[in-house]
Amino acid sequence: GAVVSQHPSRVICKSGTSVKIECRSLDFQATTMFWYRQFPKQSLMLMATSNEGSKATYEQGVEKDKFLINHASLTLSTLTVTSAHPEDSSFYICSASREVSYGYTFGSGTRLTVV
Amino acid sequence: GQNIDQPTEMTATEGAIVQINCTYQTSGFNGLFWYQQHAGEAPTFLSYNVLDGLEEKGRFSSFLSRSKGYSYLLLKELQMKDSASYLCAVLDSNYQLIWGAGTKLIIKP
Repeated sequence: GAVVSQHPSRVICKSGTSVKIECRSLDFQATTMFWYRQFPKQSLMLMATSNEGSKATYEQGVEKDKFLINHASLTLSTLTVTSAHPEDSSFYICSASREVSYGYTFGSGTRLTVV
Repeated sequence: GQNIDQPTEMTATEGAIVQINCTYQTSGFNGLFWYQQHAGEAPTFLSYNVLDGLEEKGRFSSFLSRSKGYSYLLLKELQMKDSASYLCAVLDSNYQLIWGAGTKLIIKP
């Protein structure tokens, strides 16, 4: 148990457009989901904590108007990168936890390339 | 501030044993995780320690000493597929995950 599905796995978009990434917990309900960004050869960087039914909590330095997070149900959180620029190109990963002792399960990640 | 230290890179030989250390200084402690991450992929859960001692799971074992702020991941009978980055993460008093930078493990034949 504890499967997290993330879609799409890869996306290429033009500068100025928006991209939506979905994260679903398939076999458990997740009141909280986490969104990370990872640049090549660097560690995970937490961007925001997504809370079902309320506003997301953003980490310092992350623009909430640029990275829109919606957590409308207990099994789905979405991250929308608005007005994407080449510097937004990165590996975006979501995670959720059924129970702490089971660890935090990660989605398969989305590799975003902005051209 | 909160800090997690682990070596940047380690090299080991196929069939051997390797120990990856992690030291931490965090505001509170609610457990320590080890994750494996292959290049270009998302991390996968290896272990969770919240009490002192050794947890064994097949070829992988994880140890925790809360008083020393120290953990290690022990990999036995190394296989080429174990070449990956190994991430140490601590759950602090606010249940926020604090991540180490990861240790890149290179396995040589």
